[in-house]
Amino acid sequence: AQSVTQPDIHITVSEGASLELRCNYSYGATPYLFWYVQSPGQGLQLLLKYFSGDTLVQGIKGFEAEFKRSQSSFNLRKPSVHWSDAAEYFCAVGAQGGSYIPTFGRGTSLIVHP
Amino acid sequence: GAVVSQHPSWVICKSGTSVKIECRSLDFQATTMFWYRQFPKQSLMLMATSNEGSKATYEQGVEKDKFLINHASLTLSTLTVTSAHPEDSSFYICSAIQTGGYEQYFGPGTRLTVT
Repeated sequence: AQSVTQPDIHITVSEGASLELRCNYSYGATPYLFWYVQSPGQGLQLLLKYFSGDTLVQGIKGFEAEFKRSQSSFNLRKPSVHWSDAAEYFCAVGAQGGSYIPTFGRGTSLIVHP
Repeated sequence: GAVVSQHPSWVICKSGTSVKIECRSLDFQATTMFWYRQFPKQSLMLMATSNEGSKATYEQGVEKDKFLINHASLTLSTLTVTSAHPEDSSFYICSAIQTGGYEQYFGPGTRLTVT
């Protein structure tokens, strides 16, 4: 079974600073990987996903993530954070060829200081 | 495209009553829908997988008689919390996979408060 670790519960950055949210996964084969964002009281919005191919994935809102098989990681990055990026971010991993249902990490709360 | 709605967005009910939450795929057909529960400041916990025209598959530890799921059409799944108790208070989120696809689209969630 797959699992996801988001080691940081909270991340605080200043507006305009760069951002990296960490995600490590455990799965025996090439996984499907996702990053979602959740604003307070809202559902989840997909930021980006990796299924295969180029390991650097571009998403919406200026986010990108890089799949590193050797490190079992899929870290999310943004070069310049905006105050509106403050939200909860979830990494998820799904099993290719399996039931697909993704397993979610516990989430990282992003706090943006002006 | 690929919009999922939930109704109601929030509901307050008294202990012992039942409440139904609807999940609709507005612009696509969804053979499979999922129901999640989320506690404050925590991740999503998958409750069950709902397949159109068949019985839902519940995750271990989820009471199927308490959380009734019906997926009667390709655009609608419902979750009924029966005989609700305060411990059932939570944020319930549904998601849907477009028929033939594998990406989940999430609804906005329903906040249930049981008094």
